Amino acid sequence: AQTVTQSQPEMSVQEAETVTLSCTYDTSESDYYLFWYKQPPSRQMILVIRQEAYKQQNATENRFSVNFQKAAKSFSLKISDSQLGDAAMYFCAYRSIRIQGAQKLVFGQGTRLTINP
Amino acid sequence: DAGITQSPRHKVTETGTPVTLRCHQTENHRYMYWYRQDPGHGLRLIHYSYGVKDTDKGEVSDGYSVSRSKTEDFLLTLESATSSQTSVYFCAISDSPPGGEKLFFGSGTQLSVL
Repeated sequence: AQTVTQSQPEMSVQEAETVTLSCTYDTSESDYYLFWYKQPPSRQMILVIRQEAYKQQNATENRFSVNFQKAAKSFSLKISDSQLGDAAMYFCAYRSIRIQGAQKLVFGQGTRLTINP
Repeated sequence: DAGITQSPRHKVTETGTPVTLRCHQTENHRYMYWYRQDPGHGLRLIHYSYGVKDTDKGEVSDGYSVSRSKTEDFLLTLESATSSQTSVYFCAISDSPPGGEKLFFGSGTQLSVL
């Protein structure tokens, strides 16, 4: 079974600075999807970024980018120019590509990000 | 925002009582899911449905049952609630491929079992 590990329960960063959240995963599959979700205090789950394992290029969405190291099974999220609205719990998640249709995600434990003004 | 409504939003119940949580969607998506969120564990899949009357177990299905009699409704039942089932429960939906690569979440139900 696949597992996802986020080793940083909490992180903090100064507003406008850059922060990197770590995620590692374990799988025997060669193709899969990886995700970062944001959960603000409202409890809503928001998709931040998605990476397909067969793509070499790291995904980017505005101030959010990933560093995908397939051989190391590492998938870190970099937030540039941190804003107060970025404060949230961040979850890394894995999905097997062999499961067509159903979005059965395996989540990490989460990292709580605090932005200091 | 995807049209997903979870009810109730909060519930407090006693050990041993049955509890049913409801998820209602207006998107006509094929797939529906129940996850639970606990500190230190992230979100874990309880059950999911791939069509009316078609359901399957997730990684933490013990003590839970589900039913889907209509496309828009997915019910999660705790037959006899235990304190270990105190959690935040999220419903999610996704569409069939192509275009079904996004998972949309409801706002969650905070369940406390005393």
